[in-house]
Amino acid sequence: KQEVTQIPAALSVPEGENLVLNCSFTDSAIYNLQWFRQDPGKGLTSLLLIQSSQREQTSGRLNASLDKSSGRSTLYIAASQPGDSATYLCAVKDSNYQLIWGAGTKLIIKP
Amino acid sequence: NAGVTQTPKFQVLKTGQSMTLQCAQDMNHNSMYWYRQDPGMGLRLIYYSASEGTTDKGEVPNGYNVSRLNKREFSLRLESAAPSQTSVYFCASSSRLAGLTDTQYFGPGTRLTVL
Repeated sequence: KQEVTQIPAALSVPEGENLVLNCSFTDSAIYNLQWFRQDPGKGLTSLLLIQSSQREQTSGRLNASLDKSSGRSTLYIAASQPGDSATYLCAVKDSNYQLIWGAGTKLIIKP
Repeated sequence: NAGVTQTPKFQVLKTGQSMTLQCAQDMNHNSMYWYRQDPGMGLRLIYYSASEGTTDKGEVPNGYNVSRLNKREFSLRLESAAPSQTSVYFCASSSRLAGLTDTQYFGPGTRLTVL
């Protein structure tokens, strides 16, 4: 059974720092991996989607990498801002086309 | 475009009561999903509908039923609510279930408390 883990559960860093969020999964048979952002009391918003054949995707200050063989993905946030404060979730699309989710990393950027 | 809308935003039920959560999307998506989110856990799939006229069980379907009313609307029903169903419920939609580059779009969620 596919399991997705995100460590740490929470992270607090000063504004301006570059940071890395981690996601690991147990079964490498995935179609894609996605990173989402969740703001308090709101729904989820897709940030980046990496297909299984890709190594990374970039959008603005965000860069996500995928190493399928080792079951790992990272989300790199450059020059963090207070507006980046949110919970970041990763999810893998498994062989049944369903998304399997990690519990998320709650990120706080201190001004 | 409103995207994915859900009603209600908040609900308090007593054990044994029933209710229906409503979801609608205006993106002409084929696939729709219901998830629940509990503290410290990832989202868990309750039911999904790959296309109009079809519904399938997800990871945690017990205690729930769904109806894909038409292409736009997908409702979730709790027939006899239990405290274990206290959670935040999210509806989502995507162009296709098997679309490898298709992401899911989420509604704002319904926060349900069962006393």
